[in-house]
Amino acid sequence: DAKTTQPPSMDCAEGRAANLPCNHSTISGNEYVYWYRQIHSQGPQYIIHGLKNNETNEMASLIITEDRKSSTLILPHATLRDTAVYYCIAMNTGNQFYFGTGTSLTVIP
Amino acid sequence: GAVVSQHPSRVICKSGTSVKIECRSLDFQATTMFWYRQFPKQSLMLMATSNEGSKATYEQGVEKDKFLINHASLTLSTLTVTSAHPEDSSFYICSAREGSAENIQYFGAGTRLSVL
Repeated sequence: DAKTTQPPSMDCAEGRAANLPCNHSTISGNEYVYWYRQIHSQGPQYIIHGLKNNETNEMASLIITEDRKSSTLILPHATLRDTAVYYCIAMNTGNQFYFGTGTSLTVIP
Repeated sequence: GAVVSQHPSRVICKSGTSVKIECRSLDFQATTMFWYRQFPKQSLMLMATSNEGSKATYEQGVEKDKFLINHASLTLSTLTVTSAHPEDSSFYICSAREGSAENIQYFGAGTRLSVL
């Protein structure tokens, strides 16, 4: 499974878009990119995943570069409740998840 | 998304006792479930992979006789921390993998174990 690198922390103003980057330069062709977030003292929450194409759902958008070596999770209008640790995982389907240290996002009023 | 229920949410026990944690997939069948442990200010660490009807696969360094896993049905996996000691105090989280080819895991809310 590909190693992922994320900035340890980011701030975002409430109501603005939060753009969280993830580097997965060693990703292979059949590895998906998954994003989860963990609010303090809770289990991780699934946000979105993708393979090659950009994806959007009710929570966020996922932009994957053409070479698939990096991706960006976009929360279009961040709220205080989006303050959490965000994890990017790149792996084969059928394999286990190994969590990195993630990005601690703080949404500022 | 799919719902995974984990129980109990918090448990306090005396040293030497055993504690059982349940993980249920409520609206889907999960042939594979996972158990994680998380210490304060750290990331989740995979402990074991639980497969329905077969023995669990443990990660390196995780004692299988200490952390007993049973996955007796397609909707239930249990983790038993045997002879718990204070160093076993942690946040234990389970997840269940839904059956599509895209391998999404859904997580329980976690169990906070405190061993006195």
